Amino acid sequence: EAGVVQSPRYKIIEKKQPVAFWCNPISGHNTLYWYLQNLGQGPELLIRYENEEAVDDSQLPKDRFSAERLKGVDSTLKIQPAELGDSAVYLCASSDRDRGLNTEAFFGQGTRLTVV
Amino acid sequence: GEDVEQSLFLSVREGDSSVINCTYTDSSSTYLYWYKQEPGAGLQLLTYIFSNMDMKQDQRLTVLLNKKDKHLSLRIADTQTGDSAIYFCAERRRTNDMRFGAGTRLTVKP
Repeated sequence: EAGVVQSPRYKIIEKKQPVAFWCNPISGHNTLYWYLQNLGQGPELLIRYENEEAVDDSQLPKDRFSAERLKGVDSTLKIQPAELGDSAVYLCASSDRDRGLNTEAFFGQGTRLTVV
Repeated sequence: GEDVEQSLFLSVREGDSSVINCTYTDSSSTYLYWYKQEPGAGLQLLTYIFSNMDMKQDQRLTVLLNKKDKHLSLRIADTQTGDSAIYFCAERRRTNDMRFGAGTRLTVKP
């Protein structure tokens, strides 16, 4: 079974440019997370979807970040315009809430963004 | 506090036991997890424990949970050089969101 797939793996852009990340969760997983991981730190939640509904986006900087999960499957995370401080690894994870409370999150390999 | 807290570094010799500690934030958290991250890779689930348990053993891994103190630990027996990585503690809250600590970098010396 394929795991969580993210693309691209690496992205280098100039500041003020837009950028988008894509995530394909594990088939059947209804919960999808986007996390931000700065160097030397743990993942910080940006947004969580239950199916197509964003149920927790309190940590998403809405002035420049947006996300969507059309049809409750794939998701994209966009930054426009990017700032130098956005350089980080963006992790996508998914879990299957219907399995009950033990819904471990499976992570993709992440997209490493460098803003220059 | 609001944060899941872990010590940042741990160094052990090959063959020794490693103990990584964590304090979490929400007494109603349902599951506690330990994830491992190797350089350039995503997070890999190592083990987990349900909040009504106080211990779980899985081969070389032992998880201890003190729910009263909101303290979680991971013991790795017979630590190998391949265990060198960053270990993250995480809690699943009743709202279904997951919160992570900053990670403990384990270095295993030959």
